[in-house]
Amino acid sequence: GAVVSQHPSWVICKSGTSVKIECRSLDFQATTMFWYRQFPKQSLMLMATSNEGSKATYEQGVEKDKFLINHASLTLSTLTVTSAHPEDSSFYICSARGAPGLQNIQYFGAGTRLSVL
Amino acid sequence: AQSVTQLDSQVPVFEEAPVELRCNYSSSVSVYLFWYVQYPNQGLQLLLKYLSGSTLVKGINGFEAEFNKSQTSFHLRKPSVHISDTAEYFCAVRLYGFGNEKLTFGTGTRLTIIP
Repeated sequence: GAVVSQHPSWVICKSGTSVKIECRSLDFQATTMFWYRQFPKQSLMLMATSNEGSKATYEQGVEKDKFLINHASLTLSTLTVTSAHPEDSSFYICSARGAPGLQNIQYFGAGTRLSVL
Repeated sequence: AQSVTQLDSQVPVFEEAPVELRCNYSSSVSVYLFWYVQYPNQGLQLLLKYLSGSTLVKGINGFEAEFNKSQTSFHLRKPSVHISDTAEYFCAVRLYGFGNEKLTFGTGTRLTIIP
């Protein structure tokens, strides 16, 4: 199956700093990428959807200025958590949906655990 | 809007016993259905999917699921589980057709295999 690489897998940062998480589709072109947030023992909450070259569409309640999403190419999307605070600590997972043939399938990265001190 | 219900938050099963994880969905239009598995501290891995055609779909690791339109269900089954099947399982639904991008997930079922 298709591979989605997410980096870093774990990051610890001080409160007030910004953190960038990368999501790459390794063997297919990701026309659409998704960013999810998962709290412990809970389901995935969709934060935003992005199409290559376009602005991301954020879900209701997600702060656009706090969670900056860039989808600059068909293989790379980034999520930047700006001025992170302890309440932003969570597990962030990216997902990518590709070209025809893969069109109906979302493939997921391994996730990034963010801990803000 | 569509929704997914996974009635069982936790399912303990003895090793080599059969298991069924239940999933029901609600939608006013046709949907695609998915089961994903999440191992600790990892992302989601696709187990199987129903897009169209045969209502019985087979996936990886010996899992299968049956789409029942009249009961709006998509239960996941395995005839004999192994320790390695211990994980969180998520059922998800996506609306049929182009332009409908979002996956809606259930709250997950934690499958614990007892040796």
